[in-house]
Amino acid sequence: KAGVTQTPRYLIKTRGQQVTLSCSPISGHRSVSWYQQTPGQGLQFLFEYFSETQRNKGNFPGRFSGRQFSNSRSEMNVSTLELGDSALYLCASSLVATASDTQYFGPGTRLTVL
Amino acid sequence: GENVEQHPSTLSVQEGDSAVIKCTYSDSASNYFPWYKQELGKRPQLIIDIRSNVGEKKDQRIAVTLNKTAKHFSLHITETQPEDSAVYFCAPKLGFQKLVFGTGTRLLVSP
Repeated sequence: KAGVTQTPRYLIKTRGQQVTLSCSPISGHRSVSWYQQTPGQGLQFLFEYFSETQRNKGNFPGRFSGRQFSNSRSEMNVSTLELGDSALYLCASSLVATASDTQYFGPGTRLTVL
Repeated sequence: GENVEQHPSTLSVQEGDSAVIKCTYSDSASNYFPWYKQELGKRPQLIIDIRSNVGEKKDQRIAVTLNKTAKHFSLHITETQPEDSAVYFCAPKLGFQKLVFGTGTRLLVSP
């Protein structure tokens, strides 16, 4: 079974632009979560989607948004990019999204904002 | 609250020694406690997890112990090998699929 995939793997943007990142979960997994990893702030939860509904959101500004499609694939969007948005963006999928469900991570998209 | 503290931040051991990393959390509602290993430039990979109805779980050289009363859980690695060198994160789950990551422990195993 294929693992979680993310595209693109690397991205360079300039301040003020917007960006869309994509995540394909493991086949059969219905929950997708997104995390931001930076050297200064570590790994932080962005949001989680299940059955096309956002169920949980981290403490990030409204410039960060996401969605999930009927096939469980998910996208996240960052508008009006700032230098501080440079980070590794990771998505994770899980099977049925219970409280004790395991999350499996994708390889991440490394975003650089110039 | 969502405070997660992880200690130590760095740990250097000789090959064959044991390593212990401790994680303390504040939210008593947490019921799922995973540990992830992240090698440089790679994704976090689950190495072991424990659920709140269990006190200890072991998988070969790796074990996790949970003390829900004290709100801490620990990762134990025995007979360490150079390939165990990586950053380890505890990440107790809070609410719907929200993992709250510790600050990480950089483990260095010297041959």
